[in-house]
Amino acid sequence: ETGVTQTPRHLVMGMTNKKSLKCEQHLGHNAMYWYKQSAKKPLELMFVYNFKEQTENNSVPSRFSPECPNSSHLFLHLHTLQPEDSALYLCASSQEGGRDYEQYFGPGTRLTVT
Amino acid sequence: AQSVAQPEDQVNVAEGNPLTVKCTYSVSGNPYLFWYVQYPNRGLQFLLKYITGDNLVKGSYGFEAEFNKSQTSFHLKKPSALVSDSALYFCAVRDEGNYGQNFVFGPGTRLSVLP
Repeated sequence: ETGVTQTPRHLVMGMTNKKSLKCEQHLGHNAMYWYKQSAKKPLELMFVYNFKEQTENNSVPSRFSPECPNSSHLFLHLHTLQPEDSALYLCASSQEGGRDYEQYFGPGTRLTVT
Repeated sequence: AQSVAQPEDQVNVAEGNPLTVKCTYSVSGNPYLFWYVQYPNRGLQFLLKYITGDNLVKGSYGFEAEFNKSQTSFHLKKPSALVSDSALYFCAVRDEGNYGQNFVFGPGTRLSVLP
């Protein structure tokens, strides 16, 4: 285990539903990330929170809404998704400003939009 | 802008043979380089990194990688492949001067180790 947990592991939702993905890191890190991994496409960075402040939003549609209430928790709120949003959503964390620059990933949430 | 290329979508190697997964990068400053592995339905797992110092870095599960500044490469290697090494491998780079967030990942290389 990497110290980053994600729930749920699998989620099936209709296009009119509202759901949330949860990520928790137990590593004492100060930065957290959401990535989208689709089949046959490179890993896409969606959002970055550094010291709880959102510092990056890579042109992600507004139907994805992140929330970072503290440095250990990160949420991704989903509403009115499209079938092309079906993917593996990965959360990661890192310690910025230290000497361990690598990101640690959770196991992901497999999202299917019907 | 940073970029990473993994020129091979798929690498096949026989068990017991040496393996190499290739990675080249482009950054404006000094690179920080990383390799990750992903098993089916799992997140990415950190293998090793180059930040500074010795160009040959050793990581988990017997993997190593060699930083070559002149060729802007960071190839992943293992002297003797195992069937259990079969997975998807990602190279990533961030710019030393880019404090904060920006990892850039390569598209991934699928490694198949044949028994």
